[in-house]
Amino acid sequence: GENVEQHPSTLSVQEGDSAVIKCTYSDSASNYFPWYKQELGKRPQLIIDIRSNVGEKKDQRIAVTLNKTAKHFSLHITETQPEDSAVYFCAARQGGFKTIFGAGTRLFVKA
Amino acid sequence: SAVISQKPSRDICQRGTSLTIQCQVDSQVTMMFWYRQQPGQSLTLIATANQGSEATYESGFVIDKFPISRPNLTFSTLTVSNMSPEDSSIYLCSAEKSGMGTGELFFGEGSRLTVL
Repeated sequence: GENVEQHPSTLSVQEGDSAVIKCTYSDSASNYFPWYKQELGKRPQLIIDIRSNVGEKKDQRIAVTLNKTAKHFSLHITETQPEDSAVYFCAARQGGFKTIFGAGTRLFVKA
Repeated sequence: SAVISQKPSRDICQRGTSLTIQCQVDSQVTMMFWYRQQPGQSLTLIATANQGSEATYESGFVIDKFPISRPNLTFSTLTVSNMSPEDSSIYLCSAEKSGMGTGELFFGEGSRLTVL
């Protein structure tokens, strides 16, 4: 089955700096790669996603890149703000509709 | 979007008892899933709740321990049976909305179970 690995587990940046979180997946049949943000005590919420026919997608300060050949995808947050502090999960969705999550990255943005 | 309500939001349970978590979606959805999230950990898929048929369980999860019902396109239940302290966790209901085909999952707020 699908396996999603995520790094780093913890990331601390200064406000205004960029943050990058990387994931790899194992199943070449996966075709949808969402990123979820989970604030403490809250439910996960989608912040950006990318499909396998696209290499890059951007939404304001957030961007995601996908390398299908290498089975890598990454989340980039620019101009980080304290409210970006949260746990971020990458995920891969297989045919058959299962979504498998990475282990999560705890992002701290220091003011 | 889809709004998902779960109850109970939290409970403290005694070892050996069972608890049923209810999940209600405000619109019809094709796919419903149950995840477990232990404190500070990732989301682990327990099973896919199939409407009108038996749930599809992931490796490590069995129907006798986690029976699931899905009587219609807006409602599902997860029972945690014969609980032990190792079952202490947050259980999350999620859904993918019909017809959108995006793959986006919407989550309930979670049910935090503590087993003593």
